[in-house]
Amino acid sequence: GQNIDQPTEMTATEGAIVQINCTYQTSGFNGLFWYQQHAGEAPTFLSYNVLDGLEEKGRFSSFLSRSKGYSYLLLKELQMKDSASYLCAVTDSNYQLIWGAGTKLIIKP
Amino acid sequence: ETGVTQTPRHLVMGMTNKKSLKCEQHLGHNAMYWYKQSAKKPLELMFVYNFKEQTENNSVPSRFSPECPNSSHLFLHLHTLQPEDSALYLCASSQVDQGFNTGELFFGEGSRLTVL
Repeated sequence: GQNIDQPTEMTATEGAIVQINCTYQTSGFNGLFWYQQHAGEAPTFLSYNVLDGLEEKGRFSSFLSRSKGYSYLLLKELQMKDSASYLCAVTDSNYQLIWGAGTKLIIKP
Repeated sequence: ETGVTQTPRHLVMGMTNKKSLKCEQHLGHNAMYWYKQSAKKPLELMFVYNFKEQTENNSVPSRFSPECPNSSHLFLHLHTLQPEDSALYLCASSQVDQGFNTGELFFGEGSRLTVL
């Protein structure tokens, strides 16, 4: 079966760095997405990786290793507003999006 | 209005009621989706419409009935729901090229449904 694994919950301190991991087993691979979802709000797009390596976008970076079926989202200089759920999703060989259950990130002062 | 809008934001209904959820996208996209989001579970894809044609129905019970009158509007008609159907229902849109969705999804803020 197809599966996306990510931690259920993580806690970090304001100003610090946190890494949210995502591992996947899918039938084929056509890209990996990270979305951010604040409580009671719509998921919003953060990043897209289709080739191996690191994609940096301001305080957020996303890394992909296709051979390991692994990605991480790196958040630097954490702010209280970064408290949210972070969803990992993979596009399989049929271009279907397979979703993880999300990681709830709690930022403490 | 911009983006993807959903109404109502909150809905409480009894198991014998009939109600509808509405979604409208102002992005000019050609594909629209209904997802179910339950606590601590992955997003569940329910229905997909490409160019107003339903292309996916992921074994969704018939008590959920989608309708896509045009590429900008999507409805989810609800009838004789069960308490386990209580969840957040998210609408999304995207631009699909040659049948393949390689782009990001744009989500609405969801309709929080409670079935009593």
